[in-house]
Amino acid sequence: GEDVEQSLFLSVREGDSSVINCTYTDSSSTYLYWYKQEPGAGLQLLTYIFSNMDMKQDQRLTVLLNKKDKHLSLRIADTQTGDSAIYFCAEPTTDSWGKLQFGAGTQVVVTP
Amino acid sequence: ETGVTQSPTHLIKTRGQQVTLRCSSQSGHNTVSWYQQALGQGPQFIFQYYREEENGRGNFPPRFSGLQFPNYSSELNVNALELDDSALYLCASSQGLAGDYEQYFGPGTRLTVT
Repeated sequence: GEDVEQSLFLSVREGDSSVINCTYTDSSSTYLYWYKQEPGAGLQLLTYIFSNMDMKQDQRLTVLLNKKDKHLSLRIADTQTGDSAIYFCAEPTTDSWGKLQFGAGTQVVVTP
Repeated sequence: ETGVTQSPTHLIKTRGQQVTLRCSSQSGHNTVSWYQQALGQGPQFIFQYYREEENGRGNFPPRFSGLQFPNYSSELNVNALELDDSALYLCASSQGLAGDYEQYFGPGTRLTVT
């Protein structure tokens, strides 16, 4: 199974906020990442957060990090139909420094 | 600035055959990582190349091998293909190891083994 855990599905109405949650395992991770994957496409780096930060805001995206609970979340404000995709959180692992460990992904469906 | 590119886009092979997938890293990036993404799953790390040397390997058998060239482009070779090798193969490049630098992914190569 995956060491990085995510809920599998989220349905949200257009214009509402989406919150995608992730639990990671390696407390020594320097960065934590959010990627977006649209159908049939590769992964797009959406944003990332340094482990010494609690929050990062980037336009409609807000990342919150709770190191104590190893919990990461991605909030998308004013969700649009173009935000429909699968979202992955990922952390680099210390057992193999080049390796990103991904969650299984959260499928976000935006309805009109 | 050119992003990460991969070729071919799609590929169909027969069980037992061999395949080579190619990746061109983003300008200024010296590190390439390969991932396998089975349908409905997150990407799984295969291996990483840093300055032409393999640097880290995931839980994949030796029939998965790779190369990195002096221009930092890379190849993934898979021998003796099995049906379970059917997946999207993703290449990512970065300025250094993933623990220190963000990775940028290419569009992937969809491999189907029949």
